[in-house]
Amino acid sequence: DQQVKQNSPSLSVQEGRISILNCDYTNSMFDYFLWYKKYPAEGPTFLISISSIKDKNEDGRFTVFLNKSAKHLSLHIVPSQPGDSAVYFCAASAKRTGNQFYFGTGTSLTVIP
Amino acid sequence: DAGVIQSPRHEVTEMGQEVTLRCKPISGHNSLFWYRQTMMRGLELLIYFNNNVPIDDSGMPEDRFSAKMPNASFSTLKIQPSEPRDSAVYFCASSFLQGLTGELFFGEGSRLTVL
Repeated sequence: DQQVKQNSPSLSVQEGRISILNCDYTNSMFDYFLWYKKYPAEGPTFLISISSIKDKNEDGRFTVFLNKSAKHLSLHIVPSQPGDSAVYFCAASAKRTGNQFYFGTGTSLTVIP
Repeated sequence: DAGVIQSPRHEVTEMGQEVTLRCKPISGHNSLFWYRQTMMRGLELLIYFNNNVPIDDSGMPEDRFSAKMPNASFSTLKIQPSEPRDSAVYFCASSFLQGLTGELFFGEGSRLTVL
């Protein structure tokens, strides 16, 4: 039923190290993927996206990798900073089916100083 | 620029009461989404409007839930009657969807508690 899955509810990483957050999807029609970051008592904010014609997109410390054959994407944060501590949501959409954005359950990242 | 504005931020009500959540999307955006955040299902899409027209309401849990978008600058999500299991944070998001890409801009959410 859940078309976008984040199987790790939480992740702890030391400051300065790499954080890797994973996301799997089941719908092969998804062609656009996004990562959102959410702090407590705030709405999610857009972080980075990737379309299915690419396998990597980089923005500063954040890189998203897409493996279409495995229906898997990951977000790498390097180096991790304490301010990165938040819940990260993976999202996917398919233009052909109407552009609804489907989100995962989120991964809570804690960066330890 | 004002972002997506939701009201109320917090609502506490008793079972059986009607609840109305409100959303003002970002001016110029052509799509509006209502999501519900729960621990079990994360951000769950309830309904999606494009140019004020409901496109997909398959995520609306049951007939107790209804949503309207009478114009491009306002939407409501109504629960009648409310039940304790409806307790969650409800987010409204808007976007200008063009072609393949577009990102959602979220409001700060409405935290609903049904006693």
